Amino acid sequence: KAGVTQTPRYLIKTRGQQVTLSCSPISGHRSVSWYQQTPGQGLQFLFEYFSETQRNKGNFPGRFSGRQFSNSRSEMNVSTLELGDSALYLCASSLESNYGYTFGSGTRLTVV
Amino acid sequence: QKEVEQNSGPLSVPEGAIASLNCTYSDRGSQSFFWYRQYSGKSPELIMFIYSNGDKEDGRFTAQLNKASQYVSLLIRDSQPSDSATYLCAVNARGADGLTFGKGTHLIIQP
Repeated sequence: KAGVTQTPRYLIKTRGQQVTLSCSPISGHRSVSWYQQTPGQGLQFLFEYFSETQRNKGNFPGRFSGRQFSNSRSEMNVSTLELGDSALYLCASSLESNYGYTFGSGTRLTVV
Repeated sequence: QKEVEQNSGPLSVPEGAIASLNCTYSDRGSQSFFWYRQYSGKSPELIMFIYSNGDKEDGRFTAQLNKASQYVSLLIRDSQPSDSATYLCAVNARGADGLTFGKGTHLIIQP
């Protein structure tokens, strides 16, 4: 059974650019959530999607957005990149929120 | 503001002993509790989840939940060097709120 797939694995962008990250959940999982992990702040919740609807959003600026498609695949977008956006971005999927999440390998974003 | 607190460690435990990891949370509305293990350079891996007060055992791992005291713990019996990792406690207040993570406890199992 394939796990959660995130692409790309690594990304280097320049300040002011925008970036789109992709996540394919485990087959049958309808809940997809995104997290940012940094050494200083740890893992922080960005947003969660369920059946194409955003159910909740963490405390991040509007530059961070996402969407989910009918096949449950999800994308997150960060516009006007800042140096502080450099982090590991993790996608996680679940059958339902309370069953625990399976994480993908993440996308390492470096903003220069 | 929902908070999840963990001792950052490092927590050093001899091989074969019991490792005890603790976590406290601030939101009394929290309903689901998770323990993740993260090896350096890897993504978090779900070890256990617990919803009800008491103990839940899975192999060498036991999760303990005390909602009145707002703490959850993870015991690892017969610790192995391969258990050396950062252990993350995560709490889900309500079904759609996402997980709030602690910053993790770095566990070192000494051979």
